[in-house]
Amino acid sequence: ETGVTQTPRHLVMGMTNKKSLKCEQHLGHNAMYWYKQSAKKPLELMFVYNFKEQTENNSVPSRFSPECPNSSHLFLHLHTLQPEDSALYLCASSQEQGMGNYGYTFGSGTRLTVV
Amino acid sequence: GDSVTQMEGPVTLSEEAFLTINCTYTATGYPSLFWYVQYPGEGLQLLLKATKADDKGSNKGFEATYRKETTSFHLEKGSVQVSDSAVYFCALGNQAGTALIFGKGTTLSVSS
Repeated sequence: ETGVTQTPRHLVMGMTNKKSLKCEQHLGHNAMYWYKQSAKKPLELMFVYNFKEQTENNSVPSRFSPECPNSSHLFLHLHTLQPEDSALYLCASSQEQGMGNYGYTFGSGTRLTVV
Repeated sequence: GDSVTQMEGPVTLSEEAFLTINCTYTATGYPSLFWYVQYPGEGLQLLLKATKADDKGSNKGFEATYRKETTSFHLEKGSVQVSDSAVYFCALGNQAGTALIFGKGTTLSVSS
């Protein structure tokens, strides 16, 4: 399978639940990203990993916890979320952070609803 | 810091109309420029890109030219189709170690 695959596509969770989002890429990329896309708001960069090391955390609340066990997999662990965290969560990968001329490949996203 | 500004939407057109979505940027150095498209319920897909001044990116009938003198990368298509209805994002990438910088997105709605 090629490209960036995100699972699940849809997730409904209560505010006291713990769940995880998964992202997988088979492109040989070394950088992976989590973005949040809310209605009527710009794309928000959440986390960046480069060669499995976290290089950016854009003041994301601690109820979001990323994990990057290897360059092909990225997780976003969720706990004690709020209704305003409902959004489309997008994963992306690129050749390497800092090589901006190559662009990113995005997954289809996980539509998260917090109830 | 670096930034991207896109025209506000929504843009509403009839099928076969000419499309322009404006994008201007502010950047140090020599960034690469991208247009991404997001169809309903999907992630972003790379539509086209240009990596240096005067380059023209093109794909699926869409074109954009990297204009350094006007710091612009406007997206154009000569004849839009209903299937082009989507959100279009302009983005900038540099080699300063930061992530891609996206514009706010422009929604295009094409009716038959």
